[in-house]
Amino acid sequence: DTGVSQDPRHKITKRGQNVTFRCDPISEHNRLYWYRQTLGQGPEFLTYFQNEAQLEKSRLLSDRFSAERPKGSFSTLEIQRTEQGDSAMYLCASSLVRGGRLNQIYNEQFFGPGTRLTVL
Amino acid sequence: DAKTTQPNSMESNEEEPVHLPCNHSTISGTDYIHWYRQLPSQGPEYVIHGLTSNVNNRMASLAIAEDRKSSTLILHRATLRDAAVYYCILRAGNQFYFGTGTSLTVIP
Repeated sequence: DTGVSQDPRHKITKRGQNVTFRCDPISEHNRLYWYRQTLGQGPEFLTYFQNEAQLEKSRLLSDRFSAERPKGSFSTLEIQRTEQGDSAMYLCASSLVRGGRLNQIYNEQFFGPGTRLTVL
Repeated sequence: DAKTTQPNSMESNEEEPVHLPCNHSTISGTDYIHWYRQLPSQGPEYVIHGLTSNVNNRMASLAIAEDRKSSTLILHRATLRDAAVYYCILRAGNQFYFGTGTSLTVIP
């Protein structure tokens, strides 16, 4: 299977604990996105990487959240001191964006199955 | 944030066409209109996207109003596998703004 994979698929943790999620994008994709989705809502953008550089972060991404994409391949999303409000599905997506800054050609985003986090 | 408005839910009979509307009155000239769908317990899946002209692909058609303040996703023959939440999204720069989507029920 050459799609986007995420690990773990489910995570249950106690409030105050740290958690880390992993996303493996489609290998030739240079863009990687993280989203959060709560029940009955659409995905909300958190952050994205162009290769290894984190280029944009949402206001939703508090100081307790950190994301990395070392070497421009897989990415990790860490949540420190989890709170009950962090309970959600965390989705990763990847895409291939071509072109320069002024004429970028966007292709579709491919989403992974998500990691469902439950904070007790 | 770029906003879209969609009906919460719609129903369609199997093998009939479905027209899913979306309003995006605050769209700017450079915002692309994307549609994704999400089946239960899965991540979203790309359906179609466009800027100004109507678009067709193997999954659906996208009809964009002349003033670009609304668009319609057209599924030509709904099947049971098309039951999903359909999101109309504006891509502003590098960010995608999902709304709450339309939950489509397909009746056999």
